[in-house]
Amino acid sequence: NAGVTQTPKFQVLKTGQSMTLQCAQDMNHNSMYWYRQDPGMGLRLIYYSASEGTTDKGEVPNGYNVSRLNKREFSLRLESAAPSQTSVYFCASASVAVNYGYTFGSGTRLTVV
Amino acid sequence: TQLLEQSPQFLSIQEGENLTVYCNSSSVFSSLQWYRQEPGEGPVLLVTVVTGGEVKKLKRLTFQFGDARKDSSLHITAAQPGDTGLYLCAGKTQGAQKLVFGQGTRLTINP
Repeated sequence: NAGVTQTPKFQVLKTGQSMTLQCAQDMNHNSMYWYRQDPGMGLRLIYYSASEGTTDKGEVPNGYNVSRLNKREFSLRLESAAPSQTSVYFCASASVAVNYGYTFGSGTRLTVV
Repeated sequence: TQLLEQSPQFLSIQEGENLTVYCNSSSVFSSLQWYRQEPGEGPVLLVTVVTGGEVKKLKRLTFQFGDARKDSSLHITAAQPGDTGLYLCAGKTQGAQKLVFGQGTRLTINP
């Protein structure tokens, strides 16, 4: 089925470890996004890529880096994980052709201990 | 900073009742969307409204975009347990390439 695929679904890291969250979409969307969702905080934008070759910071970029590998793939890297980065991470893609209606992945639940 | 305020934040009602969720802002949006999120899943797009005053219906759900395109409402008629979930509104301003999300309304429909 067409959509957004995120891996892994679950991950436990120790403080200071690094990891990369992977995201791929097969809908030929130009724009891709990384959000984190915490209880009571709603969805907060970490980074986004309006088109292949560009990336921009969202409202909570500190501690993260991103790579728009190609039109399909947008990865999120935690270089040195901290307990404050314990969260559920969602990747989404969108296109101006559908009024930027987002298609979300099913999320990665990350725990940093 | 653009903000979308949703109300109420939490709502628990009995099956068969009607309810309305509100999404308000001081910003003008070129489009506004509603999403529903179930536990363990990502949000799923329900509807997009783009014209001031626009009304869209999705079975028992009615979505309205305010005339000034600063607010929206979601009305559910005869709520069912399957309507339980987190409802999110999100707006896009002219020229922006990302959405602004509200904090969400957590809806519980009790059998």
